[in-house]
Amino acid sequence: GAGVSQSPSNKVTEKGKDVELRCDPISGHTALYWYRQSLGQGLEFLIYFQGNSAPDKSGLPSDRFSAERTGGSVSTLTIQRTQQEDSAVYLCASSHGAGTGELFFGEGSRLTVL
Amino acid sequence: EDQVTQSPEALRLQEGESSSLNCSYTVSGLRGLFWYRQDPGKGPEFLFTLYSAGEEKEKERLKATLTKKESFLHITAPKPEDSATYLCAVQAGNTGGFKTIFGAGTRLFVKA
Repeated sequence: GAGVSQSPSNKVTEKGKDVELRCDPISGHTALYWYRQSLGQGLEFLIYFQGNSAPDKSGLPSDRFSAERTGGSVSTLTIQRTQQEDSAVYLCASSHGAGTGELFFGEGSRLTVL
Repeated sequence: EDQVTQSPEALRLQEGESSSLNCSYTVSGLRGLFWYRQDPGKGPEFLFTLYSAGEEKEKERLKATLTKKESFLHITAPKPEDSATYLCAVQAGNTGGFKTIFGAGTRLFVKA
């Protein structure tokens, strides 16, 4: 597709369940970012992938959060044993490469943990 | 620690009333400063990139400027369709990575 695609757009889950959020970046983009945005707040950096380099995981809030990127393209963010404070919009972005600045964002996946 | 602070948190303007949004930053190894616009329920949309102090960029009613410590987004004669959240972000690459850090944003409301 022409833009960054994220799925699901909405996810409601029960506390303690695991969830997977998917991001399909723009074709040819080597850099991929995950951010979290709580209601009325700014974007909280979670993790960054660049090509085949080791990802920058410095923003992951706990070991319940993990992400992988397969084949340098699609990425999955996994949240294990979800908690209510995990409720937020999870945004994925991609860019042409490291240091090129402009990020192209998807529409986000809204996660609600009951 | 790298930090981006935006002010004000919210700004209410009348149509045609010009104003400015502020973004102050503290980073090691600034590679670029970016402005994004975010509409409700949407992902942020890129507006400008600024790389060095003194640089300015313009797009329609918006102009972004950069100093060594802060950036301003000037809005001239705003219209209701300019209502959105404006996000400032910095890309810091001192550690070898290229993490992009966002501020909390300024929510702009323009009334007709």
